[in-house]
Amino acid sequence: EAQVTQNPRYLITVTGKKLTVTCSQNMNHEYMSWYRQDPGLGLRQIYYSMNVEVTDKGDVPEGYKVSRKEKRNFPLILESPSPNQTSLYFCASKVKARGLVSYNEQFFGPGTRLTVL
Amino acid sequence: AQSVAQPEDQVNVAEGNPLTVKCTYSVSGNPYLFWYVQYPNRGLQFLLKYITGDNLVKGSYGFEAEFNKSQTSFHLKKPSALVSDSALYFCAVTGGQGFSFIFGKGTRLLVKP
Repeated sequence: EAQVTQNPRYLITVTGKKLTVTCSQNMNHEYMSWYRQDPGLGLRQIYYSMNVEVTDKGDVPEGYKVSRKEKRNFPLILESPSPNQTSLYFCASKVKARGLVSYNEQFFGPGTRLTVL
Repeated sequence: AQSVAQPEDQVNVAEGNPLTVKCTYSVSGNPYLFWYVQYPNRGLQFLLKYITGDNLVKGSYGFEAEFNKSQTSFHLKKPSALVSDSALYFCAVTGGQGFSFIFGKGTRLLVKP
């Protein structure tokens, strides 16, 4: 089954304790992205990756890191989490059409609910 | 800068009635617009998109959306609402190379029997 998976689905942690949320897709998609969803703010893009070893900042990258060493994986790293990073996080992927431009739809993972105390 | 506005936090409609969920956008250059739906405890699912061509776009589950360039709008519509359509709906825009996305705040649709 074609899907985007995220782990863990739920995480409660304390301020300053480094954590990683994993994201994996089995559709051979070039593009992957991370979003956070907060009430009243909708989804905001954190980072995206156009392909292996190519990443760029979205609208709210502060406090987050990403890496794209393999095509299928795109982990989100919080090196020193703070309470304002308590949120619902979504990973997404999409196929990139031939050429530089792609307006294909994204496939979303099930979400990771993170609470930072 | 790109932006998306969904002016209604919630839309209430009776089952069988037509529904409209509003979205307006602001981009420099050509807009590429999407609608996604989120059911409780689920990720977002793609409904439809406008890239170019016909201003009326048809999508999944009987939804359609009308692109209006002069009003910078991309409203989501359905002729006859179902209770199962109750969910959170997001409008999104991208431009340029299609890498960065701006989502609206979301509109909760409640369809009552």
